[in-house]
Amino acid sequence: GIQVEQSPPDLILQEGANSTLRCNFSDSVNNLQWFHQNPWGQLINLFYIPSGTKQNGRLSATTVATERYSLLYISSSQTTDSGVYFCAVVSGAGGTSYGKLTFGQGTILTVHP
Amino acid sequence: ETGVTQTPRHLVMGMTNKKSLKCEQHLGHNAMYWYKQSAKKPLELMFVYNFKEQTENNSVPSRFSPECPNSSHLFLHLHTLQPEDSALYLCASSQDRGRGREQYFGPGTRLTVT
Repeated sequence: GIQVEQSPPDLILQEGANSTLRCNFSDSVNNLQWFHQNPWGQLINLFYIPSGTKQNGRLSATTVATERYSLLYISSSQTTDSGVYFCAVVSGAGGTSYGKLTFGQGTILTVHP
Repeated sequence: ETGVTQTPRHLVMGMTNKKSLKCEQHLGHNAMYWYKQSAKKPLELMFVYNFKEQTENNSVPSRFSPECPNSSHLFLHLHTLQPEDSALYLCASSQDRGRGREQYFGPGTRLTVT
């Protein structure tokens, strides 16, 4: 099946700093989503971005499908940005036709005041 | 209620107990999913339902039994679980089970098996 690798595994920032999280995937995708998991376990949808670029406030994301990677940018980080960031994809390859999300291992972000 | 809700949020059960997890989506979606998140492992898909029909069982042990009475509700019935089944169980929904559909997650049920 498709492989998803996220980097870095851990990231520590001072409030106000910018950061870039990366997601590499091993095959073509029909769906790519970025999530933020808060300390209570809730997965919050950040972006649905199988290709192209999107922005939402201090967050933006870019997926270059032909090169099989996606980037999540966080600018002017705040302590509330702390948590785990997951990239998840649905393979565009043959076989099953359903939306099975395959998750990466996540990036643990800690923002200090 | 909005989005996807799950109850209970926390559950502690013994290995001989029978319990059920409930998920409800208020998004008008037709596909629902159960995912499992164990410590130090990526989230993994357990079951997929599309228009109330189970379309995928990702090699899940029979001690987990899903039920989808309608497109808005999904249950996960638990019986004779093992301590290694302790995990965060997340429910999700999407418009349908198509590959390109965005999935929305509930807050999860944190299960501890003693």
